Amino acid sequence: TQLLEQSPQFLSIQEGENLTVYCNSSSVFSSLQWYRQEPGEGPVLLVTVVTGGEVKKLKRLTFQFGDARKDSSLHITAAQTGDTGLYLCAGEGGNDMRFGAGTRLTVKP
Amino acid sequence: KAGVTQTPRYLIKTRGQQVTLSCSPISGHRSVSWYQQTPGQGLQFLFEYFSETQRNKGNFPGRFSGRQFSNSRSEMNVSTLELGDSALYLCASSFLANTGELFFGEGSRLTVL
Repeated sequence: TQLLEQSPQFLSIQEGENLTVYCNSSSVFSSLQWYRQEPGEGPVLLVTVVTGGEVKKLKRLTFQFGDARKDSSLHITAAQTGDTGLYLCAGEGGNDMRFGAGTRLTVKP
Repeated sequence: KAGVTQTPRYLIKTRGQQVTLSCSPISGHRSVSWYQQTPGQGLQFLFEYFSETQRNKGNFPGRFSGRQFSNSRSEMNVSTLELGDSALYLCASSFLANTGELFFGEGSRLTVL
């Protein structure tokens, strides 16, 4: 069983601050996805990382895949209230997708 | 193009009843996966269907079952409902099987009383 651990579990910050959330595993993944889920909606895919050491940027969001393809991080610069949501990482491994428990981010105005 | 559609969005059942949830994937997507989401357990994989065949199944009891039709629409059924089955049931579609790039519906929120 591949377990994805996300930290922190909860994060509450002021608008304009920077933050980083982490997704760690003891297993190697062929690819890793980050999703954001808002209340009352399903998760929405943000990015897929495939290559060890890969860095992808999506506006103020920067995603990094660890060199060993076991961990990933999501950095948000100058957070906005619209970034509020549950951030989930997911790993492709074996025969199904495994999701972390998520980081619940609240950005206060 | 239209997204993943799940029906019903909300439903309330009592213990012992059964429930059927429906999912219409994005046009052209042949893979449909189902997940159960609860505050305590997060997103748990139920099963995946591709071209009407169940490819993978998660660690859930046999009360949870599903199927996929020739038009890729999928249904999942839970029989003999228990209080612990209360959850948000999410359906996701993708073009390929066993891929991490999933497109989720808004979910069906089931409450078991």
